[in-house]
Amino acid sequence: GQNIDQPTEMTATEGAIVQINCTYQTSGFNGLFWYQQHAGEAPTFLSYNVLDGLEEKGRFSSFLSRSKGYSYLLLKELQMKDSASYLCAVLDSNYQLIWGAGTKLIIKP
Amino acid sequence: DVKVTQSSRYLVKRTGEKVFLECVQDMDHENMFWYRQDPGLGLRLIYFSYDVKMKEKGDIPEGYSVSREKKERFSLILESASTNQTSMYLCASSYRTENTGELFFGEGSRLTVL
Repeated sequence: GQNIDQPTEMTATEGAIVQINCTYQTSGFNGLFWYQQHAGEAPTFLSYNVLDGLEEKGRFSSFLSRSKGYSYLLLKELQMKDSASYLCAVLDSNYQLIWGAGTKLIIKP
Repeated sequence: DVKVTQSSRYLVKRTGEKVFLECVQDMDHENMFWYRQDPGLGLRLIYFSYDVKMKEKGDIPEGYSVSREKKERFSLILESASTNQTSMYLCASSYRTENTGELFFGEGSRLTVL
């Protein structure tokens, strides 16, 4: 079966750095996506990785290792508004998105 | 600004009622999707559509049907609502490209079936 694992919940301090990991086992691979979802709101697209390596976008970076079936989302200079759930999703060989359950990130002052 | 609009944010229905959830997008996207989101589970695909009048079953289509009569509108129908269909329903759309993982979501419709 297809599976995406990410931690259920993480806590970090304002101004710090946090890394949210995602491991996947899917039928084929056509890209990995990270979404942010604030409580009660719609998910919004954050990043896309299809090749190995690091993609940086401001305070957020996303890393991919296809050989290890592994990705992480790195958030720097954390702000209170970064408190949200972060969803990892993989596009499989049929171009269908397989979703992780999401990681709830709590930021403390 | 791109927009996906879902007709109702909150609905309360009784078991056996027919429920319509409407979704409209203004981005001229070819692809449209209906997901449900439940605590502790990833988004689960109910149905999707790559073109007008076209529909494909997702992972959990049982108890649901869809309609896409116009490109911008994708409706989800629960023919006879049951309590296990209490959930958050999310509509999404995307362009028809190989990078079909970049979805634009609506605000969601929280359905409670009593």
